[in-house]
Amino acid sequence: NAGVTQTPKFQVLKTGQSMTLQCAQDMNHEYMSWYRQDPGMGLRLIHYSVGAGITDQGEVPNGYNVSRSTTEDFPLRLLSAAPSQTSVYFCASSLPGAETQYFGPGTRLLVL
Amino acid sequence: DQQVKQNSPSLSVQEGRISILNCDYTNSMFDYFLWYKKYPAEGPTFLISISSIKDKNEDGRFTVFLNKSAKHLSLHIVPSQPGDSAVYFCAAGTSGTYKYIFGTGTRLKVLA
Repeated sequence: NAGVTQTPKFQVLKTGQSMTLQCAQDMNHEYMSWYRQDPGMGLRLIHYSVGAGITDQGEVPNGYNVSRSTTEDFPLRLLSAAPSQTSVYFCASSLPGAETQYFGPGTRLLVL
Repeated sequence: DQQVKQNSPSLSVQEGRISILNCDYTNSMFDYFLWYKKYPAEGPTFLISISSIKDKNEDGRFTVFLNKSAKHLSLHIVPSQPGDSAVYFCAAGTSGTYKYIFGTGTRLKVLA
């Protein structure tokens, strides 16, 4: 049981490049979410999904795209990377009705 | 406008003594509160939670107190151990919405 996995662990991008951050969970959790953590800002919700085919925006969705075609996977796409998207990104999942979330180990992204 | 505030960025405590971490919130709609612990280069892990129908919840060395009138919660760790050294985030939200607002975190250092 791997829990929540994220790839890659670290990525460097140039401004304007696109990329996809991968997130997968093997706990059959319906709810999944993406957060970013910046110094002095805590964790901020980017997008979330309450089940396959259903996604919604969080606090800071601009510049990011998500889709949820399976229960297990919830990729986060950066369409045109900007230096302001330099951050640590965490994916999380939980069971419906459960308020506690299980977090992945994070992806550190540097946009030059 | 920060809806969840952790005003102490850091705290140092001697091993064996009590650690008290504080969190304030502004949104009276919040009815569920959680504490997460985060070690460097890892994702946050759930520690303890409390719903607004309670004013105290205990789990071993960890106790969370909720003062709804003051919109304040605190996490007590007794006795503190060196392995408790980590960053602690409080999070608040309205149950069932899956949207939680995180504080900026408090770095706890337990001195041996």
